[in-house]
Amino acid sequence: EDKVVQSPLSLVVHEGDTVTLNCSYEVTNFRSLLWYKQEKKAPTFLFMLTSSGIEKKSGRLSSILDKKELFSILNITATQTGDSAVYLCAYSTNAGKSTFGDGTTLTVKP
Amino acid sequence: GAGVSQSPSNKVTEKGKDVELRCDPISGHTALYWYRQSLGQGLEFLIYFQGNSAPDKSGLPSDRFSAERTGGSVSTLTIQRTQQEDSAVYLCASSLQAGATDTQYFGPGTRLTVL
Repeated sequence: EDKVVQSPLSLVVHEGDTVTLNCSYEVTNFRSLLWYKQEKKAPTFLFMLTSSGIEKKSGRLSSILDKKELFSILNITATQTGDSAVYLCAYSTNAGKSTFGDGTTLTVKP
Repeated sequence: GAGVSQSPSNKVTEKGKDVELRCDPISGHTALYWYRQSLGQGLEFLIYFQGNSAPDKSGLPSDRFSAERTGGSVSTLTIQRTQQEDSAVYLCASSLQAGATDTQYFGPGTRLTVL
């Protein structure tokens, strides 16, 4: 059965800490792995990964995909209170269908 | 340009009533997705439209759920004979073209409460 598993389910850190969020997946006809940030309402796009071993960066956030081991990580360095959110991982298949994990709830304390 | 819009933003209904939720995707986006998100849960895929192709309905939880996309743009998700377990936030997303990019842009959602 196709699925996405994220860990940890929740995480509490202090400002300035570095966090690593994990996403493992099992899917046939994999096309891409996506990360989203969800605060109060709709998710907003962070990264799309299609190739193994190529890190994508955006400011303090970075992500990498391992297609052999079927996982991805999202790193956030020098965390800030504004990083507090639910981080969602999803994959897309060649047919265009997306499946999301349950998310990791990150809380950054001042 | 404008993002994905959804209406209503909130809907309270009585058990057994029918509801219609509307989604206006970003202009020019050919792919449209409906998801459901219950409190504290991840996104549950419901249905996916790509251009004029037959929609992927594999995520619809029961035959009480249906969706249409008219003219390749606006979509309506209909839930008939609503049940309390249908209470959730219903999110719509669109993307430019599945295959060219998988980035989905989400609307603000419709919070459905079934009493």
